Amino acid sequence: NAGVTQTPKFQVLKTGQSMTLQCAQDMNHEYMSWYRQDPGMGLRLIHYSVGAGITDQGEVPNGYNVSRSTTEDFPLRLLSAAPSQTSVYFCASSYFAPTGAPEAFFGQGTRLTVV
Amino acid sequence: EDKVVQSPLSLVVHEGDTVTLNCSYEVTNFRSLLWYKQEKKAPTFLFMLTSSGIEKKSGRLSSILDKKELFSILNITATQTGDSAIYLCAVRTSGTYKYIFGTGTRLKVLA
Repeated sequence: NAGVTQTPKFQVLKTGQSMTLQCAQDMNHEYMSWYRQDPGMGLRLIHYSVGAGITDQGEVPNGYNVSRSTTEDFPLRLLSAAPSQTSVYFCASSYFAPTGAPEAFFGQGTRLTVV
Repeated sequence: EDKVVQSPLSLVVHEGDTVTLNCSYEVTNFRSLLWYKQEKKAPTFLFMLTSSGIEKKSGRLSSILDKKELFSILNITATQTGDSAIYLCAVRTSGTYKYIFGTGTRLKVLA
């Protein structure tokens, strides 16, 4: 059982480049989300999705796009990378319905450096 | 604006000490409060709390929620070096079921 799989684990980008961070889960979770974690800032929500075809913005959405064409996949796109986007990115999934297990399951993270 | 605040931001103790980590929140449509432990990589789930005054316990860790005063505490007794980690508090809201995380408390336990 793979859980939440994030790729890549590490990435270095030049300013202005674009890239997609991949996230896939095999638990049939409705809810998926992307966070960034910066020192002293905790986990900040970028975008989230409550099901295929439905996405919404979190706390820090600027510079990022998401889509949710399937239940399993929730890619995060950086449109034009900036040094301020240097961070560790986590994808998480959980059950959305009240009767499901409440905790979020996290991927192993992507350490992104923008130079 | 929904907010979760953890204190202290960091803490250094010696093995055998007892520590109390704090999490206060201001959110609309509170559903549950969750504690996570983050070592090197992904956070791992510790507890979920939904009702005031009911202690959740797992080994040396315990947690309780006060929905009137809008806070939770995480206690760790007889700390060990393996307890060194960042402890994250998150509040899950109803409706959108968003998780709002605090900044975390970085705990270092010295041998």
